[in-house]
Amino acid sequence: QVQLVQSGGEVKKPGASVKVSCKASGYTFINYGISWVRQAPGQGLEWVGWISAYNGNTDYAQKVQGRITVTTDTSTSTAYMELRGLRFDDTAVYYCARGSLAAAGWRLDPWGQGTLVIVSP
Amino acid sequence: EIVLTQSPGTLSLSPGERATLSCRASQSISYIYLAWYQQKPGRAPRLLIYGASTRAAGVPDRFSGSGSGTDFTLTISRLEPEDFAVYYCQQYGRSPNTFGQGTKLDIK
Repeated sequence: QVQLVQSGGEVKKPGASVKVSCKASGYTFINYGISWVRQAPGQGLEWVGWISAYNGNTDYAQKVQGRITVTTDTSTSTAYMELRGLRFDDTAVYYCARGSLAAAGWRLDPWGQGTLVIVSP
Repeated sequence: EIVLTQSPGTLSLSPGERATLSCRASQSISYIYLAWYQQKPGRAPRLLIYGASTRAAGVPDRFSGSGSGTDFTLTISRLEPEDFAVYYCQQYGRSPNTFGQGTKLDIK
């Protein structure tokens, strides 16, 4: 079955970087894109970035632009999200989700299990 | 960016009742680009509806979506115990993707 499995939780200090992985299985990786969505504790969903696994095109939310990089390794069907210059308000569960290969705007299905990133002094 | 406003914030109903959840967009969006997700505590969101009215694979037919322009609705015809969760709408027609703030459906 189609599945996205993410790396484990992280605790980082302000100003540090974090890199979260998302390994896909059960489908042809390069036929889709991967979006990243975060959810702060007790809050709603916020889209932060997208990559086409087909051609590597990316799109990022303005709020994190300049601090986020999303990449893929097609040899292992894995997507990565790196967030630099971490701030307290980056504390959230980060989800990867399968989307379109053509654009960031698409329905997201399925989702990974989520990775909790805590920014703490 | 398009702002999605969901109402009500919390909906308290009993199993067997009908639930109607609303999602209003700050600008008109094509129905093609509206989705609904269900999220249970500690779990990832699950796609329920896309294209405003198309059920995702495996979604029971008690879930239905409708609407166009700026007003969209998710209806659950007869609530089952497993339906009590938070529901989010998402528009993906205009960048950036945006989500509503969610409607919590809890047991009365």
